[in-house]
Amino acid sequence: QSALTQPPSASGSPGQSVTVSCTGTSSDVGSYNYVSWYQQHPGKAPKLMIYEVSKRPSGVPDRFSGSKSGNTASLTVSGLQAEDEADYYCSSYAGINTLGVFGGGTKLTVL
Amino acid sequence: QVQLQESGPGLVKPSETLSLTCTVSGGSITSSSYYWGWIRQPPGKGLEWIGSIYYSGSTYYNPSLKSRVTISVDTPKNQFSLKLSSVTAADTAVYYCGGGQLWLFYFDLWGRGTLVTVSS
Repeated sequence: QSALTQPPSASGSPGQSVTVSCTGTSSDVGSYNYVSWYQQHPGKAPKLMIYEVSKRPSGVPDRFSGSKSGNTASLTVSGLQAEDEADYYCSSYAGINTLGVFGGGTKLTVL
Repeated sequence: QVQLQESGPGLVKPSETLSLTCTVSGGSITSSSYYWGWIRQPPGKGLEWIGSIYYSGSTYYNPSLKSRVTISVDTPKNQFSLKLSSVTAADTAVYYCGGGQLWLFYFDLWGRGTLVTVSS
């Protein structure tokens, strides 16, 4: 069982927006603004899409955005495109002893 | 452009030690910008952080694996390595090496991954 909870699946039609949630606790997501999101296509390595809750690495489209409220972080993909269909994982810093945890992943389907 | 490449046996017997090496190219492993680490993904499952190392040799491990994990760095070879002892079938996974910011807990560099199967 993963430390962070994500819905197993999410879906949307091309052009629509979809939001994926990531629920942790006051020991991780709730205490630190160090939530990251990764995109993983089948058979490929994960790719960093968001770090520090809402920052985008160079080259990541601004259709991808992140936010956080309390113990729950969210990834929103706007203007869905076919190539956005992938698995998405969240992660969070969890303090000096645990250091970091991942979510179980959400399969995003573009209908 | 920094690239990472995992190498090592794809099959390990139960109770033995899994050993993998990650070679860093296109940049120096002694870069102060990165902590280097290992992340694994069992087939069809999510990601799990195994541990990380700084070029100075400081190591940080997932508490759930700490008793079985050793990560080391070889700066002249621009490599870092993973050893996981007493493996079982539950350790079967794709193992990724990565680089990132440990204290912000994100990885912006990833190798392609290598599948390690634990089986007799």
